[in-house]
Amino acid sequence: DGGITQSPKYLFRKEGQNVTLSCEQNLNHDAMYWYRQDPGQGLRLIYYSQIVNDFQKGDIAEGYSVSREKKESFPLTVTSAQKNPTAFYLCASSFRGLNTEAFFGQGTRLTVV
Amino acid sequence: DAKTTQPPSMDCAEGRAANLPCNHSTISGNEYVYWYRQIHSQGPQYIIHGLKNNETNEMASLIITEDRKSSTLILPHATLRDTAVYYCIVRGLLIQGAQKLVFGQGTRLTINP
Repeated sequence: DGGITQSPKYLFRKEGQNVTLSCEQNLNHDAMYWYRQDPGQGLRLIYYSQIVNDFQKGDIAEGYSVSREKKESFPLTVTSAQKNPTAFYLCASSFRGLNTEAFFGQGTRLTVV
Repeated sequence: DAKTTQPPSMDCAEGRAANLPCNHSTISGNEYVYWYRQIHSQGPQYIIHGLKNNETNEMASLIITEDRKSSTLILPHATLRDTAVYYCIVRGLLIQGAQKLVFGQGTRLTINP
């Protein structure tokens, strides 16, 4: 089946450790995105990429890093510089353009203790 | 990006039509209106989108006013599984074709038996 897969679903890390969240899609989409969601809040854009080996900062990029070495994959690293990393992280992908919907993964819930 | 305003919560009886309003008075001419919904702890699910004409698909109908300053999502025969947070989004382009989905607080729709 075509889709977008995030792993793992739940992740626990100790404070001060970097952690990488996986996002893979087999929809042949050019663009991929990472969002963060806090309890009771909407989604906020962290990073996006519209083509391999290129990515741009979103609204809340500080403390995060990404790479886009393959079209299918867009991993997100939450670094120790991120002050409040505990959140629900969502990855999405789409074709480029306005008249095309984005598809979301099922999310990774990161808890830093 | 145009901002959207939605009521924080709504209730609807099972089997009745659910009408979810959205105001987007600052929308510009080339921005689309998108609707997504999010069931607790899952990724957002695409529902429908439109530019200026009314749209219908197997999930819902979208009615956009002639001046495009507001829209209504209609779920014709609501079921208990339609209980979710519904997001109305006005979508603008990022650089080179990647889309920016700006999520607000959404409307928490509860379908009652």
